[in-house]
Amino acid sequence: AQKVTQAQTEISVVEKEDVTLDCVYETRDTTYYLFWYKQPPSGELVFLIRRNSFDEQNEISGRYSWNFQKSTSSFNFTITASQVVDSAVYFCALSGVNDYKLSFGAGTTVTVRA
Amino acid sequence: GAGVSQSPRYKVAKRGQDVALRCDPISGHVSLFWYQQALGQGPEFLTYFQNEAQLDKSGLPSDRFFAERPEGSVSTLKIQRTQQEDSAVYLCASSSGSGIELFFGSGTQLSVL
Repeated sequence: AQKVTQAQTEISVVEKEDVTLDCVYETRDTTYYLFWYKQPPSGELVFLIRRNSFDEQNEISGRYSWNFQKSTSSFNFTITASQVVDSAVYFCALSGVNDYKLSFGAGTTVTVRA
Repeated sequence: GAGVSQSPRYKVAKRGQDVALRCDPISGHVSLFWYQQALGQGPEFLTYFQNEAQLDKSGLPSDRFFAERPEGSVSTLKIQRTQQEDSAVYLCASSSGSGIELFFGSGTQLSVL
């Protein structure tokens, strides 16, 4: 069975602060994918990143960065210099490499105040 | 269209009523998924189509839930004799293959009174 835990339910920050979202996962698969999705108030889930379990290199994309640590089964997401437009619910998800189902965490609501 | 389109955006149903939710995936995407998202929770898998074939329906909560994709493009999720616990957002997603980026629609918010 696969399980994704996002322990933080809500995070509120002031604009320009950094915010880190925690994600811990459980899987019996030896190879898997990890994802982050953003869900703005409009409702659609927006894909942010997919990481293969073989690749532990950290990744940076603009103000977003991801820290994958296989030893602790964590895939944390940091938004640097947050902006009001970053306000959304963020979901971490997991799937097997040969699987099509995504297992989502419960999500973390990020509120960025001006 | 440019993205995944779902209709209606909102649906209010009386308990016991049947509802039909529509999904128009991105043109050419062979894979189509339905997820159910309860309030304050992450989406949960319902069913998966590859073209017109329903390859997995293990996530459907009961036999009141039925999904189809007869021509391999548009899909309909039907819920018969709706109950209050069916109230949720129903998300449709499509992709060009397995394990690839999923593109989600904005969902249909179903409220059963």
